[in-house]
Amino acid sequence: EVQLVQSGAEVKKPGESLRISCKGSGYSFTSYWISWVRQMPGKGLEWMGRIDPSDSYTNYSPSFQGHVTISADKSISTAYLQWSSLKASDTAMYYCARHGVGGSTNRAFDIWGQGTMVTVSS
Amino acid sequence: EIVLTQSPGTLSLSPGERATLSCRASQSVSSSYLAWYQQKPGQAPRLLIYGASSRATGIPDRFSGSGSGTDFTLTISRLEPEDFAVYYCQQYGSSSWTFGQGTKVEIK
Repeated sequence: EVQLVQSGAEVKKPGESLRISCKGSGYSFTSYWISWVRQMPGKGLEWMGRIDPSDSYTNYSPSFQGHVTISADKSISTAYLQWSSLKASDTAMYYCARHGVGGSTNRAFDIWGQGTMVTVSS
Repeated sequence: EIVLTQSPGTLSLSPGERATLSCRASQSVSSSYLAWYQQKPGQAPRLLIYGASSRATGIPDRFSGSGSGTDFTLTISRLEPEDFAVYYCQQYGSSSWTFGQGTKVEIK
């Protein structure tokens, strides 16, 4: 079964660092880009950025550039999203998603992780 | 960055009725790289339509997508109880993927 499995919920304090993960299985991890998507409580979906696991090339939404870092370890089929200094406004559900169907590079997100809830509160 | 505007914000319908959801882009979406997703409470989004009109694997044929350029539509021919959810459009034709703000389809 093709799936993305994310790490569990996190509760952090403002200023702390955090890295959450997304492990792919059932397919060739390096053949598909991975994106991260934020969903703040009661709000819509926001694309944050994406990575090509084959070479770790990334690009980010202007809204998130400089605030988060996306990385991947292809040896363990895992992508990461990390913060160096969390803020209360980072409280949200975070999803990873596979760029799976469509053109050669322009693809829709066909497989999603179950989401990781991040709560930042003092 | 391409901005997607969905309408209406909320659609109140009864099971068996037809739902028509709109997604308008601020500039042309290249090669119809437009997708639709369904999200139910407490769940991750699910891909319904890609390439503006191609159904994803396992999606029932009551879901259909159409449109090109800047105007796109998702149609649910006859609403089933499990179709009441929030629907998002997404463009993936540029190097910055963007989502619309969502349309909630609720039971009337």
